[in-house]
Amino acid sequence: QKEVEQNSGPLSVPEGAIASLNCTYSDRVSQSFFWYRQYSGKSPELIMSIYSNGDKEDGRFTAQLNKASQYVSLLIRDSQPSDSATYLCAVNRGGTSYGKLTFGQGTILTVHP
Amino acid sequence: GAGVSQTPSNKVTEKGKYVELRCDPISGHTALYWYRQSLGQGPEFLIYFQGTGAADDSGLPNDRFFAVRPEGSVSTLKIQRTERGDSAVYLCASSLGLAGTEQFFGPGTRLTVL
Repeated sequence: QKEVEQNSGPLSVPEGAIASLNCTYSDRVSQSFFWYRQYSGKSPELIMSIYSNGDKEDGRFTAQLNKASQYVSLLIRDSQPSDSATYLCAVNRGGTSYGKLTFGQGTILTVHP
Repeated sequence: GAGVSQTPSNKVTEKGKYVELRCDPISGHTALYWYRQSLGQGPEFLIYFQGTGAADDSGLPNDRFFAVRPEGSVSTLKIQRTERGDSAVYLCASSLGLAGTEQFFGPGTRLTVL
């Protein structure tokens, strides 16, 4: 079992729709969770961080965390073609691995006009 | 303000050669991280520094890889006797304060070993 799993996609949604990206992690003691966006040929760009159970909203983005189910998701409302990118889920275990982020392989999102 | 910078942006070398990759973190960030990313994969952790010392180097694949951060700011990732399998994008990130907080990535160095 991979430590962080994402559906590689591609996920295709029409412009204006809600895109839902999902991520599961295997280590129950994981403490911090991040979503990065990566455009083709570019480096990852941090878009959301979440540390406690529940929802966190920032503009069109909402991150949801459920530690009991070891599940974190990202919702993108009113999706735009410019949101087309690979979305990476990253998990920080904490403890002696405090600085290490473990990434999923990413979900490719395509927003079509 | 300025983000994380990395040089060179591209590096082509021959198998067996030595390479150095440089990272300049965001000013004031005390933690610095190195990852590498292969095509179609998420970044893979290599090493991180809190200040001058390597706090966790568990991701370095073997003893051909070494990284330093002598003054607690700029870091250099050094790869000896490069192999074709070392070809990847090497990413550097930094974070403010304690490790474990939000990490911000530089543009990366694309290393190609022929």
